Amino acid sequence: DAGITQSPRHKVTETGTPVTLRCHQTENHRYMYWYRQDPGHGLRLIHYSYGVKDTDKGEVSDGYSVSRSKTEDFLLTLESATSSQTSVYFCAIRGPNTEAFFGQGTRLTVV
Amino acid sequence: GQQLNQSPQSMFIQEGEDVSMNCTSSSIFNTWLWYKQEPGEGPVLLIALYKAGELTSNGRLTAQFGITRKDSFLNISASIPSDVGIYFCAGPSSNTGKLIFGQGTTLQVKP
Repeated sequence: DAGITQSPRHKVTETGTPVTLRCHQTENHRYMYWYRQDPGHGLRLIHYSYGVKDTDKGEVSDGYSVSRSKTEDFLLTLESATSSQTSVYFCAIRGPNTEAFFGQGTRLTVV
Repeated sequence: GQQLNQSPQSMFIQEGEDVSMNCTSSSIFNTWLWYKQEPGEGPVLLIALYKAGELTSNGRLTAQFGITRKDSFLNISASIPSDVGIYFCAGPSSNTGKLIFGQGTTLQVKP
């Protein structure tokens, strides 16, 4: 257990509404990541953070924003949810040897 | 950009059989990671490899870091039903340091 908690675990939301997913870590790791996982696409990096208030885009960042005001929390926001953002979202932290440790995921359905 | 290609995409085997899967790239990686993901859960790190030629075991699992640094292999001996899941390889991009994931190998074990 890498001390990562994602909330909520499941969410159904309507198209056009804002949604925020939370990732909380207890390990005091500097690097945190948000991935989405879709059939046929594997794990794709949305955004990542390398410290408080330091974030950068991943390969599929359009339609998403992130914030990191504290070391332990990394928030992913969908400003206006679309059906194409229906997915399973994983938060991860980076260990000391570049390995990543994942949370349990958030299943988001946009209807 | 760098990509990781996993094969096979899926396997359906009988309990007790040995399993082999591999991950290849046209680029060199300095670290290879193998993850297992069970339904409804996040990926869990199984084995990490840091040196070319390295052979590392974790119970019935054995992984090898290819000599060319462009491939890695994962073997599972005497498979059991709880080995079912998706196995991912991953490695840090030499350009960005961000983890790149293969598409995964789905393993099903028939009791």
